[in-house]
Amino acid sequence: TQLLEQSPQFLSIQEGENLTVYCNSSSVFSSLQWYRQEPGEGPVLLVTVVTGGEVKKLKRLTFQFGDARKDSSLHITAAQPGDTGLYLCAGDRTNDYKLSFGAGTTVTVRA
Amino acid sequence: DAGVTQSPTHLIKTRGQQVTLRCSPKSGHDTVSWYQQALGQGPQFIFQYYEEEERQRGNFPDRFSGHQFPNYSSELNVNALLLGDSALYLCASSLGAGAGANVLTFGAGSRLTVL
Repeated sequence: TQLLEQSPQFLSIQEGENLTVYCNSSSVFSSLQWYRQEPGEGPVLLVTVVTGGEVKKLKRLTFQFGDARKDSSLHITAAQPGDTGLYLCAGDRTNDYKLSFGAGTTVTVRA
Repeated sequence: DAGVTQSPTHLIKTRGQQVTLRCSPKSGHDTVSWYQQALGQGPQFIFQYYEEEERQRGNFPDRFSGHQFPNYSSELNVNALLLGDSALYLCASSLGAGAGANVLTFGAGSRLTVL
């Protein structure tokens, strides 16, 4: 059973469109991270959000942490083919050394 | 600056065999975590090593064991392989304490296929 539920599981859009990926849980997290993983590679950290309600922007990517620190979203504006990949959210909890990952959202951006 | 390196990149074993996977952490990191990523799933935590000790373990059987060496590198051993052990095994390194503790740098993984 995944502690973090991601939706949608798959997303295929045209270049220039916007997309949003959701990450939800019934648990409270100390922080939540977003990673992107490409085929044959390990996940690469995109951002860490630590404060409830926090919004972080990374160029065309906007990350939000829910007020109750149980959920997060990733929004990509004007998606490009280079944004294609598996997007993973991961949370850590107090006194817990591990990260709990969602199952991931596979994003495909068509040129 | 070398990141996390893992070896081998791919390997094929048969049921019942044993396998050892190796990981060298990113320079400056002292903590190594191992994750198993099955096809179509997110990584699942196996265990974490810090100061040559297993600091935390996930929900994996005793067939999974590990070791950390004084130079911070690590090994993951899996005994009595099952078909279900087929997966990408990811090593991640981090700093053991403080704000960097959960900032992970992942290697490219070792793809294990059990026939």
